[in-house]
Amino acid sequence: SQQGEEDPQALSIQEGENATMNCSYKTSINNLQWYRQNSGRGLVHLILIRSNEREKHSGRLRVTLDTSKKSSSLLITASRAADTASYFCATDGGGKLTFGGGTRVLVKP
Amino acid sequence: DTAVSQTPKYLVTQMGNDKSIKCEQNLGHDTMYWYKQDSKKFLKIMFSYNNKELIINETVPNRFSPKSPDKAHLNLHINSLELGDSAVYFCASSPILGGGTEAFFGQGTRLTVV
Repeated sequence: SQQGEEDPQALSIQEGENATMNCSYKTSINNLQWYRQNSGRGLVHLILIRSNEREKHSGRLRVTLDTSKKSSSLLITASRAADTASYFCATDGGGKLTFGGGTRVLVKP
Repeated sequence: DTAVSQTPKYLVTQMGNDKSIKCEQNLGHDTMYWYKQDSKKFLKIMFSYNNKELIINETVPNRFSPKSPDKAHLNLHINSLELGDSAVYFCASSPILGGGTEAFFGQGTRLTVV
């Protein structure tokens, strides 16, 4: 079964708006990672947040982690058409990454 | 200077055939993986190798046999292909086993079994 569950499954926004997606997981983790997948391509790492961190920023990305609620969120600010992709959270433990089902984000120009 | 490369990118084959997918990484990483992504985009780990040794075999049918001739290569051989094997298969690598670092993914191999 999937470790992470992502919400929403799909998101459609206008360019310039913010996009927020959430990830919930079931077991304790060492860290949580977010990846982007453009259509027909492989996954690209975006950001890693460790279990002792609460928030992390990278450019227009902001990730939060709440280990008490076993949840994480990814915020993309000032979205661009090029941000159109699927976004996956992945929990890191047991020597492997376990992925959520992903959120498909469509940014309309 | 592709980091993780897989071949072929597309593979269309008939049921019952045997096929292989090759993967190579030039990052000097110790750990390599195979993931399967189904039609609903769910990604599931199949195997992981660390320095040519099998570490994880995630209840994959034994028709799937990974082979790692050296730590830069991890190939996937599939015997007696079935319709349900149709999916996108991703190879990935990471610097060390045990996580804490990002994984680098190949472009994927779209396998279609007809």
